[in-house]
Amino acid sequence: NAGVMQNPRHLVRRRGQEARLRCSPMKGHSHVYWYRQLPEEGLKFMVYLQKENIIDESGMPKERFSAEFPKEGPSILRIQQVVRGDSAAYFCASSPPTQGAGGYTFGSGTRLTVV
Amino acid sequence: QKEVEQNSGPLSVPEGAIASLNCTYSDRGSQSFFWYRQYSGKSPELIMFIYSNGDKEDGRFTAQLNKASQYVSLLIRDSQPSDSATYLCAVNPSSNTGKLIFGQGTTLQVKP
Repeated sequence: NAGVMQNPRHLVRRRGQEARLRCSPMKGHSHVYWYRQLPEEGLKFMVYLQKENIIDESGMPKERFSAEFPKEGPSILRIQQVVRGDSAAYFCASSPPTQGAGGYTFGSGTRLTVV
Repeated sequence: QKEVEQNSGPLSVPEGAIASLNCTYSDRGSQSFFWYRQYSGKSPELIMFIYSNGDKEDGRFTAQLNKASQYVSLLIRDSQPSDSATYLCAVNPSSNTGKLIFGQGTTLQVKP
């Protein structure tokens, strides 16, 4: 039973390029959460999605960032026109519909470096 | 005031001692509380959760919750060098969403 799968593990982008981060939830999980961890900081909530629906995007920057979780395929966190300040570890977590909030499993993360 | 506050440490304890990690939160309506462990360069790993006032024990770990004081703690008994990591306190501010508010984390160093 595979855990939450994130890819790529490491991603290097030049300033101005686009970054696409993928997250495949655990089998049977239909809820996905994205968090960002800047260097030497704690995790910050970004967005909570269910299949084909954004539930809570209160932590998403207003510009350049978007997320989706289509009916088929992984959840995608997309960052357009990346800047140096986007360099961080991005973690995805998933949970089943009936699970209480918060006790979820994180993927291994994508470490984005903007050069 | 930060929503979830932790002392960043490092907290240094000798091997075999009890490590005590503390966390306060500002939202009095918070429903559930979590402790995650994060090794350097790795993803956070859930080690304890607690919903009700009092103590909850799991092996060498005890989580303590005091909602009146808005205080959560994690005790690690018989600390081992392998417990050296950053411990993240997380709070779910509402039972209606899965959103977690994390503290900055406390770095624990267990010295052999």
